[in-house]
Amino acid sequence: QVTLRESGPALVKPTQTLTLTCSFSGFSLNTRGMCVTWIRQSPGKALEWLALIDWEDDTYYSTSLKTRLTVSKDTSKDQVVLNMTNMAPADTATYYCARISRFTSGWYAYDFWGRGTLVSVSP
Amino acid sequence: QSALTQPPSASGSPGQSVTISCTGTGSDIGGHDYVSWYQHHPGKAPKLLIYEVVKRPSGVPHRFSGSRSGDTASLTVAGLQAEDEADYYCSSYAGRNMDVIFGGGTKLTVL
Repeated sequence: QVTLRESGPALVKPTQTLTLTCSFSGFSLNTRGMCVTWIRQSPGKALEWLALIDWEDDTYYSTSLKTRLTVSKDTSKDQVVLNMTNMAPADTATYYCARISRFTSGWYAYDFWGRGTLVSVSP
Repeated sequence: QSALTQPPSASGSPGQSVTISCTGTGSDIGGHDYVSWYQHHPGKAPKLLIYEVVKRPSGVPHRFSGSRSGDTASLTVAGLQAEDEADYYCSSYAGRNMDVIFGGGTKLTVL
């Protein structure tokens, strides 16, 4: 059974760096074809793709946010960590992590998601 | 990239069929076979319903189907059931990098 769970601070101040952790089970990021990705949804806005890390440790970032994002993995802990620098009120959103299984459902479909974690940015 | 365009709401009675549209451009929906649909009950994890325009993951009922015409993709839910009441989101590969763009979501109400 595949599960993912996001964790991190509920509140950060402007200019701070946000660190979120995605803890997963039921698959390994050492397995060829497996990836973990991050998506967010700000209140009243569409979902927004942020970043991806794959089984070979290759990383990909949203074109519009790549200067602020870093994603890494710890396969011994089955965790993926997202860092986002210089947080602003516009970054207030629910942040989700999700799995990609490239050889099952392709490169751009997210077959399992976490429930998300709400992060507010306020002084 | 701009978000994909979905109607904010849709509705139908139990047993009826409902189709939700998702409009993009030739650079995303019209240019690649990477359209996905997700069902989201608030407070729960979103669920993948359709990938690569028409494909259903194992375990998704056949009454959920996807299609595409030009730059518009569609999700059809046949034989509406009460548990289908949820938010539905489309997504598409945006044509560069690994960027994926999403629709704004459609709230489906089962009357």
